[in-house]
Amino acid sequence: NAGVMQNPRHLVRRRGQEARLRCSPMKGHSHVYWYRQLPEEGLKFMVYLQKENIIDESGMPKERFSAEFPKEGPSILRIQQVVRGDSAAYFCASSPLRRSYNEQFFGPGTRLTVL
Amino acid sequence: GENVEQHPSTLSVQEGDSAVIKCTYSDSASNYFPWYKQELGKRPQLIIDIRSNVGEKKDQRIAVTLNKTAKHFSLHITETQPEDSAVYFCAVQGGSEKLVFGKGTKLTVNP
Repeated sequence: NAGVMQNPRHLVRRRGQEARLRCSPMKGHSHVYWYRQLPEEGLKFMVYLQKENIIDESGMPKERFSAEFPKEGPSILRIQQVVRGDSAAYFCASSPLRRSYNEQFFGPGTRLTVL
Repeated sequence: GENVEQHPSTLSVQEGDSAVIKCTYSDSASNYFPWYKQELGKRPQLIIDIRSNVGEKKDQRIAVTLNKTAKHFSLHITETQPEDSAVYFCAVQGGSEKLVFGKGTKLTVNP
């Protein structure tokens, strides 16, 4: 039973380029969350999605960032026109059915470096 | 919004000693409190969690206690081993599905 999958594991971009991060949830999980971790800091919530729906994007910067979770395929976090401050580890997590509490299981992360 | 404070930020213990990490939160409606362990360059891994209707939970050398009145919860690791060295994060989940994390505690267990 594969866990949460993320790719690429490492991504290097120059300022102004686009970064696309992919996340495949655990089998049977229909909820995906994206978190960002700056060096030596905790994880900060960005966005929560279900298939074809954005449920909560309160942690997402208003510009340049977008996320989707299509009916088929992985969830995508897209960062347009990257800047040095976007350099961080981006983790996605998944959980099963919605209930009063949700165990969230994390993927290995994508480490984005902006040159 | 929810605010989670975690202390201490670093903790160094001798092998075999106990380690305690504490977190406080602000939203009294919060109802789920997981702890994650993150080794350098790796993913956060869930090690134990507690729901709001329980005051204490134990799993071998790891235990978590919750005081809902005071809005704080703690992680206890007994008989620490060098492989327990990592960064530990507490988190809180309330009415929304997202987890709000503390800033982490770097635990070092010295042989």
